[in-house]
Amino acid sequence: QTVVTQEPSFSVSPGGTVTLTCGLSSGSVSTSYYPSWYQQTPGQSPRTLIYSTNTRSSGVPDRFSGSILGNKAALTITGAQADDESDYYCVLYMGSGIWVFGGGTKLTVL
Amino acid sequence: QVQLVESGGGLVKPGGSLRLSCAASGFTFSDYYMSWIRQAPGKGLEWVSYISSSGNTIYYADSVKGRFTISRDNAKNSLYLQMNSLRAEDTAVYYCARGGVGYSMDVWGQGTTVTVSS
Repeated sequence: QTVVTQEPSFSVSPGGTVTLTCGLSSGSVSTSYYPSWYQQTPGQSPRTLIYSTNTRSSGVPDRFSGSILGNKAALTITGAQADDESDYYCVLYMGSGIWVFGGGTKLTVL
Repeated sequence: QVQLVESGGGLVKPGGSLRLSCAASGFTFSDYYMSWIRQAPGKGLEWVSYISSSGNTIYYADSVKGRFTISRDNAKNSLYLQMNSLRAEDTAVYYCARGGVGYSMDVWGQGTTVTVSS
């Protein structure tokens, strides 16, 4: 069974830079998995941040960027702000209409 | 504006059934594939099911295969999820999401809550 891995939690200082990662329990993440990233605050629906590895969704600030770092997909927040404190989820497209979400990363800005 | 509105959630006993609906507006529904995603209380997101724009191709997560049925009515701009043989572990907020560029989910509904409990 495919498991998508994310750091359970991360902390960043206001104005700082943080990189969240998205890996596979077995194998490497590549652009072929079309990694996408979603932000969710408590009680709200997820919001699309990044799709196709590194394309920002409409209206997403450019302090959010996506990439492949080594064998993982990565979401980098540059110049973190207080309202970036959220849960962040990656999802990988496994092919044949199947997606697998990571467990999510709870980001604290303090 | 582009909008997805889920409905049909509620409290149901184990073994029971429920049908969720997702009403789409603000875009040409028949042009897009759709998915259902769920989130158990305090847990992460879990992809549940996919349906192609025409409805001809359907996939399910192993956790719901054989119990849930996804469907759509393009004339009514609506997506559905028929849930049978419900279990306690199906308790979650269920979101419908529009398929976006690059296999993303670019528009999400506000979610509807399903609680399976005796």
